[in-house]
Amino acid sequence: EDKVVQSPLSLVVHEGDTVTLNCSYEVTNFRSLLWYKQEKKAPTFLFMLTSSGIEKKSGRLSSILDKKELFSILNITATQTGDSAVYLCAVPIQMDSNYQLIWGAGTKLIIKP
Amino acid sequence: ETGVTQTPRHLVMGMTNKKSLKCEQHLGHNAMYWYKQSAKKPLELMFVYNFKEQTENNSVPSRFSPECPNSSHLFLHLHTLQPEDSALYLCASSQGGFTDTQYFGPGTRLTVL
Repeated sequence: EDKVVQSPLSLVVHEGDTVTLNCSYEVTNFRSLLWYKQEKKAPTFLFMLTSSGIEKKSGRLSSILDKKELFSILNITATQTGDSAVYLCAVPIQMDSNYQLIWGAGTKLIIKP
Repeated sequence: ETGVTQTPRHLVMGMTNKKSLKCEQHLGHNAMYWYKQSAKKPLELMFVYNFKEQTENNSVPSRFSPECPNSSHLFLHLHTLQPEDSALYLCASSQGGFTDTQYFGPGTRLTVL
């Protein structure tokens, strides 16, 4: 069965700390892994990863994929209270003519001032 | 018929036209979604419906108007679109919450002239 597992489920840190969020997956026909940030609204896209070992970076956020060990990490450095959100990873898979998006349960990140 | 179906599969329209995209799911799911996928970009979530109620409108221009008459059918009404709206429009459904596995339809390839 295809699955995406995120850890930890929740994390509380202080402003300025660095956090690492994990996403592991077991899927057939892997093509890419997506990271999203969800605050009060629908998720907003952060990164799409398709190749192992190539870091994607956007400001204080970065992500990398390991296709051999089947996981991805999302790093946030110098955290700010505005980084508080649920971080979701998802893996799109193609099954015959059907396309599915398998989501992890998310990591709830709380940044304390 | 099973799964998620979308019609039409291809649509070409002028900027002054009005058209509608249709999505039907035969999975007994309670949530339905519209996504936009532009060339070489990841999925952009547009609308979320849960039990026929719209729960998310992800800052989508008003020229896109969704309608969900029941939990099996979802429409996307289009009017006065722009050429940059040309994209693949995907409908998806899931059993309940957003992070339940989402099953996608084949999409409608829209070209706005």
